[in-house]
Parts: sequence; structure tokens; C-alpha cells
Amino acid sequence: SQQGEEDPQALSIQEGENATMNCSYKTSINNLQWYRQNSGRGLVHLILIRSNEREKHSGRLRVTLDTSKKSSSLLITASRAADTASYFCATDGLAAGNKLTFGGGTRVLVKP
Amino acid sequence: NAGVMQNPRHLVRRRGQEARLRCSPMKGHSHVYWYRQLPEEGLKFMVYLQKENIIDESGMPKERFSAEFPKEGPSILRIQQVVRGDSAAYFCASSPLGQGITEAFFGQGTRLTVV
Repeated sequence: SQQGEEDPQALSIQEGENATMNCSYKTSINNLQWYRQNSGRGLVHLILIRSNEREKHSGRLRVTLDTSKKSSSLLITASRAADTASYFCATDGLAAGNKLTFGGGTRVLVKP
Repeated sequence: NAGVMQNPRHLVRRRGQEARLRCSPMKGHSHVYWYRQLPEEGLKFMVYLQKENIIDESGMPKERFSAEFPKEGPSILRIQQVVRGDSAAYFCASSPLGQGITEAFFGQGTRLTVV
């Protein structure tokens, strides 16, 4: 079964708006990472947040982590058409062994 | 420093043929992971290898699939007697340590189509 589950599955917004997506997981983790995948391409690493961190920023990205709720959120501020992609969370932890477990992704469409 | 290189990018095979997917990790990386992605889905872990060793193959189908990472050369994911259900994108990732420590670097994938 998947460790991470993203919500919503799809998101459509206008350029300039913020996009927020959530990820929930089941077992304890060491780290949680977010990746972006453009259509037909490979994955690009966006940000890593450790289990003892609550919030992290990188440019227009803001990630939060709530280990008590086993959930994380990714916020993209002032979205651009180029942000159109699928976004995946991935977790690692003792239960998963030394590997990443991915969720099903959120497909984001930013309309110009 | 070239990224993770996968080839071919696209592969078409007839049912019953063999598919060989190659992955050259980033320079200095000794850990390789293979994932499979079906359309509109996330990535599913298949196998984790270090040089000359399979560390975790819990995601690999028991039959027809095999993987290796020899001392010299790329990692190979081999699918024998392919079936239509094997059609997917196969991604390779490499890391210098376990993926949880640093971000994993992914290749562009090989898109396998079985006709």
C-alpha cells in the first residue's frame, strides 16, 4: 500500500494564485520530500523536510510537516504557468527500509 | 557532472520479447533504485541495488523481472517475455547514501510500450 497520499488529486488555478496540496502518510518517517514531474519527464527534487522540522521555505515553495497528524502540505505562492506539473510527496522511514515511498500525486494546472 | 542517464528513452517490444533498460548513476553514486510508474499514478518501488548486490527487491515481480548493478557498467533492469501490462515508465534514481539522507537524483525514464 502507498505510504503517502496526496490531496487533492487534481488542482486547477489561475496564474498568480496560490496552490496548496497535502500529503498524508501512515507510518513514522525520517524525512519527507516533495518532487515535481512535468508531463513525460523525470522527477525533480523540490524540498526535503526532516521529521524534527515543522516548516521549510525554498523560493516560492513552503512546506509544512505535522508529525502528530502524519501530514505535510506544499504551498506554491504566486503560481506561474510553468508550475503546471504533477507533484509527489515521498517518505522514508524504518518501515519502508532505505528507500522512498511515493504517493499518487497532485496534478496541478496553472492557467495563464 | 552528468545526471542519471537512462537509455533508451523509449522502447517498443512485442509481447514475448525481452526488454533491457539501462541506468548509469551519477558519478560517485553507488546506490541505484528502480521505480515503475503507470499512467496517472505515482512511482512504485521495484528494487534497490548497490554495486554487485541486491539490497531490497521487495517491489519486483517474482517472475520475468531481474535487476543487476555490476562492478563496471550501468545497472540493468531486464524484463523477459514482456506482456501488455508491463507497459509503463521505468525510472532509475541514484544516491551517494540511502535516499532518505539526501535527495535522490532521478533519470528521465524509459517508456516501455508492449504491442
